[in-house]
Amino acid sequence: GAGVSQSPSNKVTEKGKDVELRCDPISGHTALYWYRQSLGQGLEFLIYFQGNSAPDKSGLPSDRFSAERTGGSVSTLTIQRTQQEDSAVYLCASSLAPGQGAEAFFGQGTRLTVV
Amino acid sequence: KQEVTQIPAALSVPEGENLVLNCSFTDSAIYNLQWFRQDPGKGLTSLLLIQSSQREQTSGRLNASLDKSSGRSTLYIAASQPGDSATYLCAVQGNMLTFGGGTRLMVKP
Repeated sequence: GAGVSQSPSNKVTEKGKDVELRCDPISGHTALYWYRQSLGQGLEFLIYFQGNSAPDKSGLPSDRFSAERTGGSVSTLTIQRTQQEDSAVYLCASSLAPGQGAEAFFGQGTRLTVV
Repeated sequence: KQEVTQIPAALSVPEGENLVLNCSFTDSAIYNLQWFRQDPGKGLTSLLLIQSSQREQTSGRLNASLDKSSGRSTLYIAASQPGDSATYLCAVQGNMLTFGGGTRLMVKP
């Protein structure tokens, strides 16, 4: 695709429900990042995929959060048993493999509201 | 572990002023440094990418410099306009992409 695509753009869910957020990176980009941004705050790193390497999950805040990347392309971030503190904008970015000129591009984000 | 710091956290200037935003990082083993702009409620838009082998990049009224050895980058905005009001973030790419906390810029008409 022309850019990084995220869906849904908005999601309202009840506390305790599971949600899945999708990221479709730019074709050919092997690096994919998930970040979270709470209202008025900076970017919080969640997870990083690079090619076939094991993902860097060091930013996931709890075991309720998980992510996978199928076929090295589309990624899904899953939040189980959602809590109100999970409400935030979830941003996805992709780039070529880390190296000179690997510019990162972001999607428009998914705004998650847990009520 | 890479740490990225942006100073100032917030800046308010009258229209027409030239201004400088600062970004510093602790590990100089980077491939690139990238500056982004974020408007309220929106995603991040890439402004400039400086490769580690480069000293600066220019796009219109924006000029970004990189001094890798000292771990610093600056974003210079010439003749600021109200439409420049946004949050500006720098990110360094080593083995992964690490962000600073951003500078919130307000340009008053």
